[in-house]
Amino acid sequence: DIQMTQSPSSLPASLGDRVTITCRASQDIGNYLRWFQQKPGKSPRLMIYGATNLANGVPSRFSGSRSGSDYSLTINSLESEDMAIYYCLQHNEYYTFGAGTKLELK
Amino acid sequence: EVQLVESGGGLVQPGRSLKLSCVASGFTFNNYWMTWIRQAPGKGLEWVASITNTGGSTYYPDSVKGRFTISRDNAKSTLYLQMNSLRSEDTATYYCTRDLKAYWGQGTLVTVSS
Repeated sequence: DIQMTQSPSSLPASLGDRVTITCRASQDIGNYLRWFQQKPGKSPRLMIYGATNLANGVPSRFSGSRSGSDYSLTINSLESEDMAIYYCLQHNEYYTFGAGTKLELK
Repeated sequence: EVQLVESGGGLVQPGRSLKLSCVASGFTFNNYWMTWIRQAPGKGLEWVASITNTGGSTYYPDSVKGRFTISRDNAKSTLYLQMNSLRSEDTATYYCTRDLKAYWGQGTLVTVSS
């Protein structure tokens, strides 16, 4: 089974900061990686697909990147509406979510 | 507008069964794989089951294999999840998704407790 190790689990940050969340895959998943945002009481929202592609309607301050088996979600110039939990998902072999990163105001 | 509306959740005793439904609208249902995802209270997301667009193949993680069955009725644009031998650890909000991408339902809560 493919494991996705997501870090950090919690990320205190200030408005205007640049933050990065990372997922490491236990084996090759190519670019079969998506990022989701979830706010309390809401369904997850697709942010990034194909590791680097911005989903429809997602602000351009969000970006995805890959370095080997490490996949990152970066948010430039953090806004209050970005406070949420973020999950990565690999879909190369079945589906595995990362454990989530709670982004909160410092 | 794409809509996915789950129903069928509720309180059920351990060992009993429950069947969830997800009615889809706003797209051609039989063109898409569908997936159930669950989220235990205060926990992360977990893949539960997937089904191909024709219903010809189904996929499950070990945690539910042999107990849960995903199915679909393309004529009714409806996805199902039959859950048998329920355990306390199956307590969660269950979401249906189209392709595990942009479209998710609002979720239905299943509570397994005596």
